[in-house]
Amino acid sequence: DAGVTQSPTHLIKTRGQQVTLRCSPISGHKSVSWYQQVLGQGPQFIFQYYEKEERGRGNFPDRFSARQFPNYSSELNVNALLLGDSALYLCASSQENNSPLHFGNGTRLTVT
Amino acid sequence: AQSVTQPDIHITVSEGASLELRCNYSYGATPYLFWYVQSPGQGLQLLLKYFSGDTLVQGIKGFEAEFKRSQSSFNLRKPSVHWSDAAEYFCAVGDQAAGNKLTFGGGTRVLVKP
Repeated sequence: DAGVTQSPTHLIKTRGQQVTLRCSPISGHKSVSWYQQVLGQGPQFIFQYYEKEERGRGNFPDRFSARQFPNYSSELNVNALLLGDSALYLCASSQENNSPLHFGNGTRLTVT
Repeated sequence: AQSVTQPDIHITVSEGASLELRCNYSYGATPYLFWYVQSPGQGLQLLLKYFSGDTLVQGIKGFEAEFKRSQSSFNLRKPSVHWSDAAEYFCAVGDQAAGNKLTFGGGTRVLVKP
C-alpha cells in the first residue's frame, strides 16, 4: 500500500505570496493532520481534520488554513508568506481520530 | 498544557554499544506517548507507542521504551546500535481528548561511530 504522499516535495516562494500544499492519506485513513517543522526543532501541530471536519487547531495565525476533501485528501494554505514560514510541512494520516499517525516525507517550503 | 523535554540534543555512540535516549513529559492525566525516528530529508516513522498496560513497550528495529509515571519519563533504549540507527529521534505526547494532536520534544540527534 502507498504511504502518505505529499506534493510538491520542494517549493520556493517570495514573501507575501500564497502557497498550497497537498496531501493524500493512506487508503482507508479518515484523519489528516498537518505539522510544521522548523529546522532544528520538533514538529508543531497546525491542524487536524477528521471526516472532513476540523477537529483541532494549533497556535498558528489565521494566515494558515486547511480543508479536507470527500476522498480524505487535504490541502494546507498559507497566505501572506513570511520568512519565518520557511519549514518542512508534514502531513500525517490515521485510520480514526485517536489512532497513531503515519507521516509523509513532507514539503520543504523556502520563503525568500 | 502538555510539554515534552528531550535533554540531550546530540548523542554519539559506537556501533554495537547500547543507546538510551531520555524523554520527560508534562501532562495532567495518563498520556499517550510515542517515539518517532526521522532520517535526513524524510518524514517521521513510528518506533513505538504507549497507551496503557505494560509499562515496557517493544517497538520496531529492536527499540524498547519504559513508561515511568513517578518520573514522568518515557526513555528509549536499544541494546546494540547499528550504523543505520543514525538519525534524529523525537518523543511525543498525545492528548487523549484531542485526537491526533501531538506535542513533540526538540529531538535528539544520534551519531554512530564505526
